[in-house]
Amino acid sequence: KAGVTQTPRYLIKTRGQQVTLSCSPISGHRSVSWYQQTPGQGLQFLFEYFSETQRNKGNFPGRFSGRQFSNSRSEMNVSTLELGDSALYLCASSLRPGGETQYFGPGTRLLVL
Amino acid sequence: GENVGLHLPTLSVQEGDNSIINCAYSNSASDYFIWYKQESGKGPQFIIDIRSNMDKRQGQRVTVLLNKTVKHLSLQIAATQPGDSAVYFCAETQGAFGSQGNLIFGKGTKLSVKP
Repeated sequence: KAGVTQTPRYLIKTRGQQVTLSCSPISGHRSVSWYQQTPGQGLQFLFEYFSETQRNKGNFPGRFSGRQFSNSRSEMNVSTLELGDSALYLCASSLRPGGETQYFGPGTRLLVL
Repeated sequence: GENVGLHLPTLSVQEGDNSIINCAYSNSASDYFIWYKQESGKGPQFIIDIRSNMDKRQGQRVTVLLNKTVKHLSLQIAATQPGDSAVYFCAETQGAFGSQGNLIFGKGTKLSVKP
């Protein structure tokens, strides 16, 4: 079974631009979560989607948004990029929310200049 | 401002020795715990999990111990190999269906295995 895939793997953007990252979960997994990883803050939860609905959101500004499609694929968007948004963005999928193991993709490395 | 990186605890062990990585979790309501391994340039990889109704769980060369009284989790790796070199994270969450499914991660421990 294929794992979680994320595209693109690497991105370079400039301040003020916006970016969209994509995640395809493991086949059959309906829950997708997004995390941000930085050297300063470690791994932090962004949001969680299940059945196309955002169930849970972390403590991030409204510039960070996401959505989930009917095939469980998910996208996250960051608008008006700031230097501090440079990070590894990780997507994880699980069968359902709560109590199920989350499996991570390789991440998208975003660099904001 | 300057981006000061997290000071990761580092554990250095000799190949073939056993490794023990410790983690303190924060939320008393957490009842599902997972250990992840993250190699450079990769996403976290699932190692082993444990639910709060257990104190110990064993996998292949790995054992997780849970002490709910002091909110402490440990990962034991037997006969550590160079391929075990990575950063190890513990994560906690609430396990019931419908609960908040987000993982809360510890800061990580860097394991270095000397050949």
